[in-house]
Amino acid sequence: GQNIDQPTEMTATEGAIVQINCTYQTSGFNGLFWYQQHAGEAPTFLSYNVLDGLEEKGRFSSFLSRSKGYSYLLLKELQMKDSASYLCAYYNQGGKLIFGQGTELSVKP
Amino acid sequence: DVKVTQSSRYLVKRTGEKVFLECVQDMDHENMFWYRQDPGLGLRLIYFSYDVKMKEKGDIPEGYSVSREKKERFSLILESASTNQTSMYLCASGGNTDTQYFGPGTRLTVL
Repeated sequence: GQNIDQPTEMTATEGAIVQINCTYQTSGFNGLFWYQQHAGEAPTFLSYNVLDGLEEKGRFSSFLSRSKGYSYLLLKELQMKDSASYLCAYYNQGGKLIFGQGTELSVKP
Repeated sequence: DVKVTQSSRYLVKRTGEKVFLECVQDMDHENMFWYRQDPGLGLRLIYFSYDVKMKEKGDIPEGYSVSREKKERFSLILESASTNQTSMYLCASGGNTDTQYFGPGTRLTVL
């Protein structure tokens, strides 16, 4: 199977901050991606981390620790439109993008 | 602006029919991919291509074939559609270990 895990679902309140975690195990690593997918639509690219640390892009930030095989996506000032599935993915040694199952985030008023 | 298009958003076919799903990208990417997405199973790679006329099997190639005659176009073929091929099909393009960009998806129903 694919060695990448993330929580199945999360709930948060509008205006709050939420952190979605992703852990992975791979012998060859070429970067960690986060995608957002609204119901019935295609995934859209959010972020790409290849070095350790935090990458900030507006309300969204993504963190990577290669030694721990760990990443998180941080969403600030949550809006109702942020309700979606969030997919983490890494490239394996064969050059294939391996996806997690996705975390279904529900933002409540 | 990145653009990946797929020939249909929704498609209904009968068991045994031959089905063609077309994908076109305008970013001059070498690599193109076909995935299917099912509830509880996530995105699974069917086939990919690193160059024109080149194809590689992904994780679930059985029942599918592909064609890449031109760099910008990657076709997925279901030789004889079956009900277990009812799914959302997503095409993507990208560079090697670079970001993959997805098309809008084709929701295929096989009756």
